[in-house]
Formats: sequence, structure tokens, C-alpha cells
Amino acid sequence: EMKLLESGGDLVQPGGSLRLSCAASGFTFRTHAMTWVRQPPGKGLVWVSSISADGGDTFYADSVQGRFTISRDNSKNIVFLQMNSLRAEDTGVFRCARAAGYYYYYGMDVWGLGTTVTVS
Amino acid sequence: QSALTQPASVSGSPGQSITISCTGTSSDIGGHNYVSWYQHHPGKAPKFIIYDVSYRPSGVSNRFSGSKSGNTASLTISGLQADDEADYYCSSYTSSNTVVFGGGTKLTVL
Repeated sequence: EMKLLESGGDLVQPGGSLRLSCAASGFTFRTHAMTWVRQPPGKGLVWVSSISADGGDTFYADSVQGRFTISRDNSKNIVFLQMNSLRAEDTGVFRCARAAGYYYYYGMDVWGLGTTVTVS
Repeated sequence: QSALTQPASVSGSPGQSITISCTGTSSDIGGHNYVSWYQHHPGKAPKFIIYDVSYRPSGVSNRFSGSKSGNTASLTISGLQADDEADYYCSSYTSSNTVVFGGGTKLTVL
């Protein structure tokens, strides 16, 4: 069974940092791009960042560019999201999602349940 | 990176068909065929139901169909069932090498 399990969410003060992790299992991790998606409380899904299958290319929403860094370890089947200079508007459930193929824009076909980040 | 525009809510009776629209621009929906749709029951992981505008992933019911005209994509659900009651999101690749989601549509099955 394909699974994604996020961790690392916490309550943090504005200006603080957090590192989220997403552990993948049940599929060939290195052949899929990966994405982080945020859902603010009571609101819809917001794309945050994606990383190519080999980790060589990264993409960010304007709102997090320069503050967040996505990375992956294909030897351990984990994708990370380092979040610095956190703001109240970064609050939400962060889910990682698997791209349906090698490229991140193929759509997201496997999702985790998410980890909660509260900036306050 | 403005969100794609979806109606906040739609409703229909069991057995009926409904359509959810998703409007963007020539920089996203209008310029690319990487439009996806997701079904999200609160508290669960979102489910991938349409990719590349109109293709269904394996295992997704053929009651779900997608289309696109110009800058607007649409999701149609036929033969509405109680379990279809959920939030639905569209997404599109953009010319800025980003992805943008719609604001979400709450489907109520009456």
C-alpha cells in the first residue's frame, strides 16, 4: 500500500522555524516528484512547493520563496520542508503529495493526512 | 498566483448530474492541459479523480468526467450518490512553473 506520513508540525512563534518531514512507503520514491500543500483553517488547498524526482529542480509559491526550502533524500524515501521566518499566514495543515509521474505538474495521486503548523 | 475561481457550493439530488466550474487565465488553465481535480472528505486525504483535463486515474468511477473550454475547466458528476458529498478542488499548472488550486466547492447531496 502506498503511504505518505508527515511529521514535524508544531506551535511556533512568528519568525521561528520548523522542519517538516514526509516518509514515503509502498512505491518507488525516486521516480516521482513530490509536493507540499497547505490547508489554512477552514479554507481550501494551497500549493506550497514541489521538487523533481531526482531532487535537482525545486519550485515555490511566491508567498514562501526565500523562506521555505524543499529537499528530498531518495536513499531514505523522505521529503522535507524547511520553513524559516514563519508568519501567522503560514498556519495550516501541511500535506505532502506524490506526483502522478516524474513531473510535479502531472497531478497528485497519493496524499498524506498532514501535520499541523500553528504560527502564533 | 491568484487562486482559480470555483463556486463556493453546488447541490443536487441523488441520481442527478452536477457540474463544477473552475475558471483561470491563459497563463494556467487556458495555456496548459495539466488540469486536475480532487475530492476531499474532511478529515481524510484528498482523492485524485481527474488529471490532464479529462482522464480518470485507475479505480475512479466513470461517473466523474472533466472537460475544458478556453480558460475554464469543468468537473461533471453524474448519477449523484450520497458519498459524493465532499469538497472538490481543481488545480492547474501555470506558465510560472507553479501550481494553483481553486478555492474549492462544497457539494451537497440533498
